[in-house]
Amino acid sequence: EAQVTQNPRYLITVTGKKLTVTCSQNMNHEYMSWYRQDPGLGLRQIYYSMNVEVTDKGDVPEGYKVSRKEKRNFPLILESPSPNQTSLYFCASSAISSGANVLTFGAGSRLTVL
Amino acid sequence: SQQGEEDPQALSIQEGENATMNCSYKTSINNLQWYRQNSGRGLVHLILIRSNEREKHSGRLRVTLDTSKKSSSLLITASRAADTASYFCAPLSGGSYIPTFGRGTSLIVHP
Repeated sequence: EAQVTQNPRYLITVTGKKLTVTCSQNMNHEYMSWYRQDPGLGLRQIYYSMNVEVTDKGDVPEGYKVSRKEKRNFPLILESPSPNQTSLYFCASSAISSGANVLTFGAGSRLTVL
Repeated sequence: SQQGEEDPQALSIQEGENATMNCSYKTSINNLQWYRQNSGRGLVHLILIRSNEREKHSGRLRVTLDTSKKSSSLLITASRAADTASYFCAPLSGGSYIPTFGRGTSLIVHP
């Protein structure tokens, strides 16, 4: 089944403890992206990647890092999480070669930073 | 990239009624996409309309696009309780591969 898989789905952590949220897609998509969703603010893009070894900042990149060493994986790294990074995170991917860039989303990762 | 602005922010209707939500954007586009999000879950793509199309249908969904007014509307006919969700539009500008999303329209369909 074509899908985007995120892990963990739920995580409670403490300020300053490094964590990684993994994202993997099995559709050979070039484009991958991370969003965060907060009440009243909609979805905001954190980072995106157009292909392997190519990453760019979105609208809210501060406090996050990403890497794209393989086409299928796009992990989101929080080096020193803070409470304002408590949010619902979504990974998405698409085949930009199609010209339409229709996104397939993961199920989401709910992160709480205490 | 540009983001769309959905209107209204919230919509509450009875089952069987039609629901209309609108999206406005600022600059010319290649295509515009609509997505649905059930509470706390990932967005699901509903329909894509290209800049040279004026109307598109998919089941009970009808999307229109007016490029002169830089706006699109999503109509859900004969709504069901299962249509309760948030709906987002994502306009894609020429040369951009980056869909961005606004705050969405929260639709509640009462049984």
